[in-house]
Amino acid sequence: GDSVTQTEGPVTVSESESLIINCTYSATSIAYPNLFWYVRYPGEGLQLLLKVITAGQKGSSRGFEATYNKETTSFHLQKASVQESDSAVYYCALVITGYQNFYFGKGTSLTVIP
Amino acid sequence: DPKIIQKPKYLVAVTGSEKILICEQYLGHNAMYWYRQSAKKPLEFMFSYSYQKLMDNQTASSRFQPQSSKKNHLDLQITALKPDDSATYFCASSHNGLGVNQDTQYFGPGTRLLVL
Repeated sequence: GDSVTQTEGPVTVSESESLIINCTYSATSIAYPNLFWYVRYPGEGLQLLLKVITAGQKGSSRGFEATYNKETTSFHLQKASVQESDSAVYYCALVITGYQNFYFGKGTSLTVIP
Repeated sequence: DPKIIQKPKYLVAVTGSEKILICEQYLGHNAMYWYRQSAKKPLEFMFSYSYQKLMDNQTASSRFQPQSSKKNHLDLQITALKPDDSATYFCASSHNGLGVNQDTQYFGPGTRLLVL
């Protein structure tokens, strides 16, 4: 079935270091999935970080980037230089075109040390 | 101001009882959803509603019943509660929900349910 696998947490990095959180997906439908990264900051609800609906394209937001790679079925989240305020739980998700049920990864807890 | 309100934030219930989780959205969206996240598991899709009609149900148990009294409300009634129902339940909404591509879902803060 459709599923998402992402880096097991928790992940701890120092401020100004680079970050990559891996995400790979499996989609059984012939329709390509739309891919999302959601984030939950401490004490807040899930919010959209970025999304990409077309294979080969890159999404970016708040210094984070992710490229939709259909060859490797990946959608890794990267940031060149993290800040303490990036500490949160990050979720990779997919939804198949024409459907509304999202499939989420388990979430990756990120702690950035000042 | 919060755009998606879930009440209560925390809920403790005894096995066999019945509870209702409340969700209201003030985003003007036409579609609403329920998800569940149990410990160490990913968020799991449960239901989707569009224009107050059930579109998709991926919850096996009939103990979970969504209730939509208004377009911007989608409550979740859970009967005969079991300890395995303990989880955080998230409500979400999106603009269309009619199988339209690119429809971003916006999530509420969740209700954390503990069944003893």
